[in-house]
Amino acid sequence: GESVGLHLPTLSVQEGDNSIINCAYSNSASDYFIWYKQESGKGPQFIIDIRSNMDKRQGQRVTVLLNKTVKHLSLQIAATQPGDSAVYFCAEYSGYSTLTFGKGTMLLVSP
Amino acid sequence: DTAVSQTPKYLVTQMGNDKSIKCEQNLGHDTMYWYKQDSKKFLKIMFSYNNKELIINETVPNRFSPKSPDKAHLNLHINSLELGDSAVYFCASSQGFGGSYNEQFFGPGTRLTVL
Repeated sequence: GESVGLHLPTLSVQEGDNSIINCAYSNSASDYFIWYKQESGKGPQFIIDIRSNMDKRQGQRVTVLLNKTVKHLSLQIAATQPGDSAVYFCAEYSGYSTLTFGKGTMLLVSP
Repeated sequence: DTAVSQTPKYLVTQMGNDKSIKCEQNLGHDTMYWYKQDSKKFLKIMFSYNNKELIINETVPNRFSPKSPDKAHLNLHINSLELGDSAVYFCASSQGFGGSYNEQFFGPGTRLTVL
C-alpha cells in the first residue's frame, strides 16, 4: 500500500551552515517561549527559553528571537552539526504550568 | 541515572484491553505531567499533577485515569483501549507549579499501539 509521510515542515542544511527555524504562536498573553529538540525515539529536550519581555536570548550555538508584534519566534543554530538533526518544537507557556506546543520542524543536516 | 523514566517503552495491545504506563522521576520535582504525541508529532498536554493533586485535565476521555501514589510517580491507566489511543505518551516533571516557567524534563516516551 501507499505509505504516508510525516509531512512535517523540513529544513535541510549542510554541516557548518547556520539554520533558522521559525514558529508562529497564537497567545499574546504567553509569558515564556521555549524551544525543544526531539531526537528520533526520544523525549523532547529543552534547548533555550525566552521571556516575553525580551526580544533576543543567546545560548551555546543557539539564539532565540522573539517578535511580539507579529507573534513570531525563531531559533538560530550556528554551525549546524549532524547531531543537530532532530524535530524542533516551539512551545508557549502562559501560567498554570501548561505548555502549548507548536507543530514541529524537522531539521536534516547533511555531512 | 535516568531523570524521568517510563515503562514500558513499547506496548502493543488489542482494542478493548486495559493497560497502564508507569512514570518515575528522581529529580525531586513536585509537578508531573502526561503528554500525548500523535502520528503527526503533535504534542499535547493531557494531565498535570502537583504534590499528588490533579491540577490540569485537558478534556481527556475518562477512560484515561492518572494516579500519583507519591510525588515521584505518576502512572497512567487506560481502560477499554481504542485504535485512536495509539500514540507516544510522554511523562514529564518540573519543579514548582504556576507562576514563572519551570523547565519540564521529559521521559523517553511509551509507544502504544492498539490493534
